[in-house]
Amino acid sequence: ETGVTQTPRHLVMGMTNKKSLKCEQHLGHNAMYWYKQSAKKPLELMFVYSLEERVENNSVPSRFSPECPNSSHLFLHLHTLQPEDSALYLCASSQDGFAGGHGDTQYFGPGTRLTVL
Amino acid sequence: AQKITQTQPGMFVQEKEAVTLDCTYDTSDPSYGLFWYKQPSSGEMIFLIYQGSYDQQNATEGRYSLNFQKARKSANLVISASQLGDSAMYFCAMRESQFQGAQKLVFGQGTRLTINP
Repeated sequence: ETGVTQTPRHLVMGMTNKKSLKCEQHLGHNAMYWYKQSAKKPLELMFVYSLEERVENNSVPSRFSPECPNSSHLFLHLHTLQPEDSALYLCASSQDGFAGGHGDTQYFGPGTRLTVL
Repeated sequence: AQKITQTQPGMFVQEKEAVTLDCTYDTSDPSYGLFWYKQPSSGEMIFLIYQGSYDQQNATEGRYSLNFQKARKSANLVISASQLGDSAMYFCAMRESQFQGAQKLVFGQGTRLTINP
């Protein structure tokens, strides 16, 4: 595997279900991100982990729970979601600590398309 | 206030023609970076090109170039000799100063580019 992978690619769940999204990066990066992409809205940053520590949580509802067990893996645990949570969820990683340049470019996975019924 | 503005929701271009996708940004930080990403229908965000605020020359990557006009706060993407495979959503993003070892990207609304044969 290369780059950033995400599983599953598609997920349909009811509002009472519990599911998890998985992201794995094979780039040796030290920071990982969760984004939400809804129709007709810009990408919204949800969570940021740097060196496995959460450094940003953009006021995301508690029904979304991230987990970063190590620098290569990132999970997003979902429970009691709402239909408006249906979206494409993108994971990204970067190598941070660069003083300029694009050495800290974020590289994205293919996303998980989530539908909440 | 919106920090990244992409004023063209959609563009239609004939194959082999050059195309310019507009992006304006707003920041008071003297150190920032500008990125362009391509998102095909598959969903993955693909990094195309980067321009740093202190870079003296416009960035180029193969058929992609960035027309950086700092005083106007614009960073337009130019694709030369367009191909059918260039049909996708294109996003402009800005990185402001890093925070706690990770970066924060702000994305524009995107431009849907369609290349006609």
